[in-house]
Amino acid sequence: SQELEQSPQSLIVQEGKNLTINCTSSKTLYGLYWYKQKYGEGLIFLMMLQKGGEEKSHEKITAKLDEKKQQSSLHITASQPSHAGIYLCGADPNAGNNRKLIWGLGTSLAVNP
Amino acid sequence: DGGITQSPKYLFRKEGQNVTLSCEQNLNHDAMYWYRQDPGQGLRLIYYSQIVNDFQKGDIAEGYSVSREKKESFPLTVTSAQKNPTAFYLCASSPRGNEKLFFGSGTQLSVL
Repeated sequence: SQELEQSPQSLIVQEGKNLTINCTSSKTLYGLYWYKQKYGEGLIFLMMLQKGGEEKSHEKITAKLDEKKQQSSLHITASQPSHAGIYLCGADPNAGNNRKLIWGLGTSLAVNP
Repeated sequence: DGGITQSPKYLFRKEGQNVTLSCEQNLNHDAMYWYRQDPGQGLRLIYYSQIVNDFQKGDIAEGYSVSREKKESFPLTVTSAQKNPTAFYLCASSPRGNEKLFFGSGTQLSVL
């Protein structure tokens, strides 16, 4: 079955440093979602990417989807303690069907002040 | 404020007991979903509903049941047939089946 691989599994950075999280699939994706989760809480939507080569930004977070729509990266610039949490990618392996989203295992981010 | 509300935050189940997790949304979303989250595993879909009075099994429906009598409510019952119920349960909704999901704050279910 199709899977999403996230890397790294965990990350510890010093405040102010940049970082990148990757999400990779073996097959083409029709929608790629990035969410953030605090431990024991729900998922907060960050961004959705659908088109090959698409790039979106929100505050200091930028997400890109490659041309083949098989890999996405999430980049945080000048990290802050508020960026700490678990980042999850989810994707639609079919066309427009949220019933069968697949999910990565998450990347745990800690930001040291 | 519009949103999706899960209750309770923490729930304990005794052996042989059925328990029900509540999920309510006031976003006027058609689709609702139940996911289970376990450490070291990705989110797994339990049940989903696209419209009122209709729902379908997800990947791990055994031992669970749902109902969708109202658009805003999608309760999940964890039955005694679910032998490993300890997990974090997340409810989500979306306007239609192909748009981003909005998640509740989750319910942690543990077995006594």
